[in-house]
Amino acid sequence: KQEVTQIPAALSVPEGENLVLNCSFTDSAIYNLQWFRQDPGKGLTSLLLIQSSQREQTSGRLNASLDKSSGRSTLYIAASQPGDSATYLCAEMSSNTGKLIFGQGTTLQVKP
Amino acid sequence: DAGVTQSPTHLIKTRGQQVTLRCSPKSGHDTVSWYQQALGQGPQFIFQYYEEEERQRGNFPDRFSGHQFPNYSSELNVNALLLGDSALYLCASSLGTGGAGYTFGSGTRLTVV
Repeated sequence: KQEVTQIPAALSVPEGENLVLNCSFTDSAIYNLQWFRQDPGKGLTSLLLIQSSQREQTSGRLNASLDKSSGRSTLYIAASQPGDSATYLCAEMSSNTGKLIFGQGTTLQVKP
Repeated sequence: DAGVTQSPTHLIKTRGQQVTLRCSPKSGHDTVSWYQQALGQGPQFIFQYYEEEERQRGNFPDRFSGHQFPNYSSELNVNALLLGDSALYLCASSLGTGGAGYTFGSGTRLTVV
């Protein structure tokens, strides 16, 4: 059974801190891995997508890495801001199926 | 360019009733997938529609059914509602069944009382 696990479940940091969110997956035939942001009661906004042939992707202050051999991905947020407060979800897609398997998310609070 | 639109945004139903949720995909997309997100959990895949047929299905009972129309829009139907069906229902569209350009809507919040 394919599973995605995110640690920690919640994180509170002061503004300006660099932080890392962790995601682990069991699927050895991963096609891609995506990181999403979700604000309370809202839908999902795609942040970064890493194809299985790639090692990392960057967008602004965000950097996501993928290590298929260890079944891990990390989302690095540089110089965190209060506006970064949200739930961050990682999801893997297996073998081009179009079906995403999500972790439970990490809820981030950045304090001013 | 309109993204994925879902309606209604919120609704309240009584246990045992039936509900229909609607989704219009992003322009240029032809595949619609539905997810259920319980409070504090990650979304769970319900099913995927392509060419007006259900192509994949997650671990959900037959009370959950769907439909895709020729214009690629989709409906999710849930019969005999249970309290446990209360959740945020998310629709995602993509180009083809491989998930290219996956885009989520804002969701429909269903409360069963």
